[in-house]
Amino acid sequence: QSVLTQPPSVSGAPGQRVTISCTGSRSNIGASYDVHWYQQIPGTAPKVLIYANNNRPSGVPDRFSGSKSGTSASLAITGLQAEDEADYYCQSYDNGLGYVFGTGTTVTVL
Amino acid sequence: QVQLMESGGDVVQPGRSLRLSCTASGFTFSDSSMHWVRQAPGKGLQWVAVISSDATDKYYPNSLRGRFSISRDNSKSTLYLHLNSLRGDDTAVYYCARGSYGHPTPYFASWGQGTLVTVSS
Repeated sequence: QSVLTQPPSVSGAPGQRVTISCTGSRSNIGASYDVHWYQQIPGTAPKVLIYANNNRPSGVPDRFSGSKSGTSASLAITGLQAEDEADYYCQSYDNGLGYVFGTGTTVTVL
Repeated sequence: QVQLMESGGDVVQPGRSLRLSCTASGFTFSDSSMHWVRQAPGKGLQWVAVISSDATDKYYPNSLRGRFSISRDNSKSTLYLHLNSLRGDDTAVYYCARGSYGHPTPYFASWGQGTLVTVSS
């Protein structure tokens, strides 16, 4: 059902850098729509982590960064911490489907 | 600070209807577009509906159009979602979310804690 594809899981040791990809198509990311990222700690509501490709809301650590190119986007977490264990979702807009989310990625800190 | 509080979730039989509510505070509700997003148990996020600040525009994904209806009462700072002809695959936590201001691709700026709808006989 999701039109934005993410890897199911990524993992890394504390302090390492991990990246999460978000692959779309010409009807969404490739149509110049922005990509946003959300963090969801299990049992809680999602919260916006990155908006408009590479912008952090106040209070989000600068360890989190986003980028976008062509029909894809990426979220990078540098200096991985135990508190970063969560599910991460990308989100954009699709010409035929409306607001769309990625399939979600679980980040595990080893 | 922004607060969104959903209510109305319940266990309902297939084919029945339900109305969810979301009470907002901490921002100018009447200036904000509002959304519903749902999450089935153990699954990802799915956008359900959006309503403009003055309720003149409402949009749904094709898969849900006709069964779900979004509305709002700006005098009460309250958002609603009417769910009709409920099916088992409608079982989910339903979140209300405030739409972002002034962005070409809107995002979900603030979220409530969610309310659980379980469809089961």
